[in-house]
Amino acid sequence: EVQVLESGGGLVQPGGSLRLSCVVSGFTFTDYAMSWVRQAPGKGLEWVSSISDSGFRKYYADSVKGRFTISRDSSKNTLYLQMNSLRAGDTAVYYCAKHTYSSGGDFDYWGQGTLVTVSS
Amino acid sequence: EIVLTQSPATLSLSPGERATLSCRASQSISSYLAWYQQKPGQAPRLLIYDASNRATGIPARFSGSGSGTDFALTINSLEPEDFAVYYCQQRSNWPITFGQGTRLEIK
Repeated sequence: EVQVLESGGGLVQPGGSLRLSCVVSGFTFTDYAMSWVRQAPGKGLEWVSSISDSGFRKYYADSVKGRFTISRDSSKNTLYLQMNSLRAGDTAVYYCAKHTYSSGGDFDYWGQGTLVTVSS
Repeated sequence: EIVLTQSPATLSLSPGERATLSCRASQSISSYLAWYQQKPGQAPRLLIYDASNRATGIPARFSGSGSGTDFALTINSLEPEDFAVYYCQQRSNWPITFGQGTRLEIK
């Protein structure tokens, strides 16, 4: 059974940093690309960042480029999102999602999300 | 960036009726379109990939169609558990983008 479990969310002040983690199981982590997708309260889905199976290719939404960094650790079956210079507009539930292919594709498994609140 | 426009924003129907949701892309995306269902407090669930293929475990009442710029999700004979928000998503070009969603509510 595929499992995806995010952690690391919380309340942070504007300008602060936070690192999200996503531990997965039930599939071969190194065979698939992974992504972070967020959803602001009461709003729709917004893709944030993706990383290929090897970790070589990384993609970012313009809204987070230069502030967020995606990475993965195959020894721990874990995906990360380092978030710096956080803004109120980054407040959202952050979902970790597995892609259907090694380099991308759709999202076939999602975690339950972790809430990030940026506020003073 | 490819913009996906979903219509209608809200669709009010009764159980047993057929729902047709639309998604239009700002440029051709071939068949690289997926549909997701999201219920309150839950993560999205993949329903349809590559425009017309049902994901694992998705009931046959869900079907997808279209290619290029115009796509549709059809739900035949609505069940009570189908009332939710539906999103389309394209993977033709980076950045990956989602539509704004269609809320399917009970009439």
